[in-house]
Amino acid sequence: GEDVEQSLFLSVREGDSSVINCTYTDSSSTYLYWYKQEPGAGLQLLTYIFSNMDMKQDQRLTVLLNKKDKHLSLRIADTQTGDSAIYFCAPNRKLIWGLGTSLAVNP
Amino acid sequence: DTAVSQTPKYLVTQMGNDKSIKCEQNLGHDTMYWYKQDSKKFLKIMFSYNNKELIINETVPNRFSPKSPDKAHLNLHINSLELGDSAVYFCASSQDGVGRTQYFGPGTRLTVL
Repeated sequence: GEDVEQSLFLSVREGDSSVINCTYTDSSSTYLYWYKQEPGAGLQLLTYIFSNMDMKQDQRLTVLLNKKDKHLSLRIADTQTGDSAIYFCAPNRKLIWGLGTSLAVNP
Repeated sequence: DTAVSQTPKYLVTQMGNDKSIKCEQNLGHDTMYWYKQDSKKFLKIMFSYNNKELIINETVPNRFSPKSPDKAHLNLHINSLELGDSAVYFCASSQDGVGRTQYFGPGTRLTVL
């Protein structure tokens, strides 16, 4: 069946870069999203990339898409403590969500 | 102004009871969703409505019944609550159908005792 896989946990030091990886099976999505969920809150759109692009930069965020390998990544430059959250990859035509990656930023 | 709102925020109830969760969006979106997020943070789609019409109905016990009185509202009624129903339920909405950017509500934490 359709699936989304991410590492469950990532721990970085404040100021370092974070890279969150995602592999997926559904290749029909036009948009591929990254959402952020802070503790006790709903998900918020962080950024997205069109399926015909391979890279998108948005301030501290860089999204890389490898359609051939069905691999999506999110790089956060200069990670701050406010970036601590769960990050969900969502290649979302079929509304498949994984477990998300819990990012912990240590001062 | 809140874009997607849910009530109540917390719901604690006994097994066997019937309860409802309400959702409203003021974004003018045509598609609304209900998700269940378990204690491991796994997010699973339950239902989706487009213009008040059910378009997605995943494998969910028929104790769960969504109701969409109009485009801006999607309520979730749960009969005969079970311990396994304890989770956080999120409502979301999007414009122009499934697969577009979704806006999530703050969630309803349901605890069944």
